[in-house]
Amino acid sequence: EPEVTQTPSHQVTQMGQEVILRCVPISNHLYFYWYRQILGQKVEFLVSFYNNEISEKSEIFDDQFSVERPDGSNFTLKIRSTKLEDSAMYFCASTRTGPNTEAFFGQGTRLTVV
Amino acid sequence: RKEVEQDPGPFNVPEGATVAFNCTYSNSASQSFFWYRQDCRKEPKLLMSVYSSGNEDGRFTAQLNRASQYISLLIRDSKLSDSATYLCVVNMRGGGNKLTFGTGTQLKVEL
Repeated sequence: EPEVTQTPSHQVTQMGQEVILRCVPISNHLYFYWYRQILGQKVEFLVSFYNNEISEKSEIFDDQFSVERPDGSNFTLKIRSTKLEDSAMYFCASTRTGPNTEAFFGQGTRLTVV
Repeated sequence: RKEVEQDPGPFNVPEGATVAFNCTYSNSASQSFFWYRQDCRKEPKLLMSVYSSGNEDGRFTAQLNRASQYISLLIRDSKLSDSATYLCVVNMRGGGNKLTFGTGTQLKVEL
């Protein structure tokens, strides 16, 4: 079964440092997403990406965040200067034809900012 | 009012019991509805989509009431392996290209 893969599974970083979270979406999917889940809270939308550009972003996705699809397979989330409150599980997801179809989620990257 | 609202639980039920979860959503023009399952510290996985006519998949039945903006999930003959958090998820019209999640309802199935 095709799957979304994310690396690393766990990242510990110091406050103020830059981190890059990596994702390989399912190969024939066209829409890519980043969500985050703070421990004990709900899954929150960060950004969606389609046709090599951001199609929507949430209030959380401020100037500290950026996304990129540097090649035909990888989809990355960069946080430029991490804050303590960025500590969360970050999930990458992809869909074949948009949010009305099944979203496949990666296993997540647990980011801990110290 | 929260965009997607669920009772957080936990629901503790014996094996073999029938359990029902409810969810309400605030945007009357919402388009698509789903139940996802999330195991502890794992990613959400689609359990089933929810259609206006209602739909069933084995022991699981989902219902949608657009007039009341209400979604339900019924699990019959619950198994220990059903223990998880069940997430009500909505794609809202005008909500763009994203899914909106409820906080989830925790289910614990016990011997």
